[in-house]
Amino acid sequence: GNSVTQMEGPVTLSEEAFLTINCTYTATGYPSLFWYVQYPGEGLQLLLKATKADDKGSNKGFEATYRKETTSFHLEKGSVQVSDSAVYFCALSSSDQFYFGTGTSLTVIP
Amino acid sequence: DSGVTQTPKHLITATGQRVTLRCSPRSGDLSVYWYQQSLDQGLQFLIQYYNGEERAKGNILERFSAQQFPDLHSELNLSSLELGDSALYFCASSVPGASDNTIYFGEGSWLTVV
Repeated sequence: GNSVTQMEGPVTLSEEAFLTINCTYTATGYPSLFWYVQYPGEGLQLLLKATKADDKGSNKGFEATYRKETTSFHLEKGSVQVSDSAVYFCALSSSDQFYFGTGTSLTVIP
Repeated sequence: DSGVTQTPKHLITATGQRVTLRCSPRSGDLSVYWYQQSLDQGLQFLIQYYNGEERAKGNILERFSAQQFPDLHSELNLSSLELGDSALYFCASSVPGASDNTIYFGEGSWLTVV
């Protein structure tokens, strides 16, 4: 079956630190992979996506590479800001179904 | 703005009551999804509709039902409400079949059952 596993939170970082949030997946076929971000009190927003192996999605300084050999889609950012504090969800899409991870809460302190 | 519209944004109701949440998908999107987000259970998939027909069912309680109308808007009906139904309910939409199919979420409807 299809599933997504992402690292447990919460994660607390100082401003300008490097961020990695791990995400691995199990899927049949060739899924698309996504990262969504949920800011406090808001809905989920698409952050970035990749539709095939070795694709790199990037947005707002965040990036993730679709690694088929390791079935991973880790989210990275070189220098986080306080405004990046949010919950991050990894997701996959296969045959018009979407599967979400449990979310990782990130807090960035000044 | 994702283009997915949900109403109402906030709702407070008593146990045992029934409420209806409404969703208008993005223009052109044929699929509508409903999710429940609570503090202790994360994001739970409830049900998906595609062009008026039920497509997939997740962890939806029997007290809950949904439908998608010919104009593609959808409603989620929650009945015999319990305190544990208090949560944020999201609607999302997508264009199924696209090679880069992406799901877009509304802002959610906050339901508080007292």
